[in-house]
Amino acid sequence: GAVVSQHPSRVICKSGTSVKIECRSLDFQATTMFWYRQFPKQSLMLMATSNEGSKATYEQGVEKDKFLINHASLTLSTLTVTSAHPEDSSFYICSAVDGYEQYFGPGTRLTVT
Amino acid sequence: KQEVTQIPAALSVPEGENLVLNCSFTDSAIYNLQWFRQDPGKGLTSLLLIQSSQREQTSGRLNASLDKSSGRSTLYIAASQPGDSATYLCAASSGNTPLVFGKGTRLSVIA
Repeated sequence: GAVVSQHPSRVICKSGTSVKIECRSLDFQATTMFWYRQFPKQSLMLMATSNEGSKATYEQGVEKDKFLINHASLTLSTLTVTSAHPEDSSFYICSAVDGYEQYFGPGTRLTVT
Repeated sequence: KQEVTQIPAALSVPEGENLVLNCSFTDSAIYNLQWFRQDPGKGLTSLLLIQSSQREQTSGRLNASLDKSSGRSTLYIAASQPGDSATYLCAASSGNTPLVFGKGTRLSVIA
């Protein structure tokens, strides 16, 4: 089956620094990938749609200058949280589209101290 | 805009009991509906995916049904076990658009 990986699985960073999260489709090519965020005891909320070779589309309320998304190849999308603050601490999950199905990565736990 | 609602928000049952989790969606023009399991602090595990043309899917002790006309899906868990304790999420898809998730049902199965 289709496999999506994320790296790192867990990261702790200091306030004001930037963190990059990678999302890779391991055995298929994904023109479209999605980035979700999940706060404790909340459901997943879509942050942005990442399209290979074009600019990402951000959901309302998500700052595009703070959450930089790059989808440089058909198997890799990256999310960079710039100038991280403690309120950015969350669980970030990506998914990659293969046909009409989405496959989810295992998630990245970001803690900003 | 699609909205997905899950009831109940939390459920506690004794081991061995059969149970039903409910999911409703506002836009019946879905491509598929998917049920996930999420353990605390972990990612998503896909349990069952029902295509819009299907009425149900079964995997082991799990059975998911889909009624597009009424905008409802149910996840039936037979003979529940403590290991089934987790949050169960349903999500609706309209093709290659983002999944829209419900807030989940937090299930506790007591031994």
